[in-house]
Amino acid sequence: ETGVTQTPRHLVMGMTNKKSLKCEQHLGHNAMYWYKQSAKKPLELMFVYNFKEQTENNSVPSRFSPECPNSSHLFLHLHTLQPEDSALYLCASSQSQGFTSDEQYFGPGTRLTVT
Amino acid sequence: KNQVEQSPQSLIILEGKNCTLQCNYTVSPFSNLRWYKQDTGRGPVSLTIMTFSENTKSNGRYTATLDADTKQSSLHITASQLSDSASYICVVSARAAGNKLTFGGGTRVLVKP
Repeated sequence: ETGVTQTPRHLVMGMTNKKSLKCEQHLGHNAMYWYKQSAKKPLELMFVYNFKEQTENNSVPSRFSPECPNSSHLFLHLHTLQPEDSALYLCASSQSQGFTSDEQYFGPGTRLTVT
Repeated sequence: KNQVEQSPQSLIILEGKNCTLQCNYTVSPFSNLRWYKQDTGRGPVSLTIMTFSENTKSNGRYTATLDADTKQSSLHITASQLSDSASYICVVSARAAGNKLTFGGGTRVLVKP
């Protein structure tokens, strides 16, 4: 395991539901990331938090709402999703966002299916 | 626009055989290149990282090469094992604020007995 955990591992939700994804890192890192991985497409960066501050929102629809209460925890709140939002959602962390040599460690992902 | 292209998209090899995966990139200014292995339903795990001055880096049976002039990298898997079945993702980092990564689409490798 990489030290980054995600829950739940699988989630099925209807388009009118509200759910949250949780990510926790035990590596003492200061930067955390949300990625979306759709079938046969490269990973897409969604949000970045550095020292609890959001530093990047990659034009993500407002039905995805991130929250970072501290450097160890990251949430992704979901509401009124669309079927095309079905994907693997990956959380990652790194020592900080500013250094390109910092490796990002990924969690196992949450497989989301929107019905 | 920064891009990373990988080939082939998928390949099947017999256990014990070797294979080579390709990665071409247009990321600029270049900082480093990583190869990740992603098992089905899991997150990516780093195999190697190479900076501009490094031509080759090994991690067990995995050997990565980098040609910064032609902006190409390869990942060679030696004596493949069933556990090598996974997607292999090439990731290039730009030397700019924010540690922004550009991901390739991956090569799906299936090792058959």
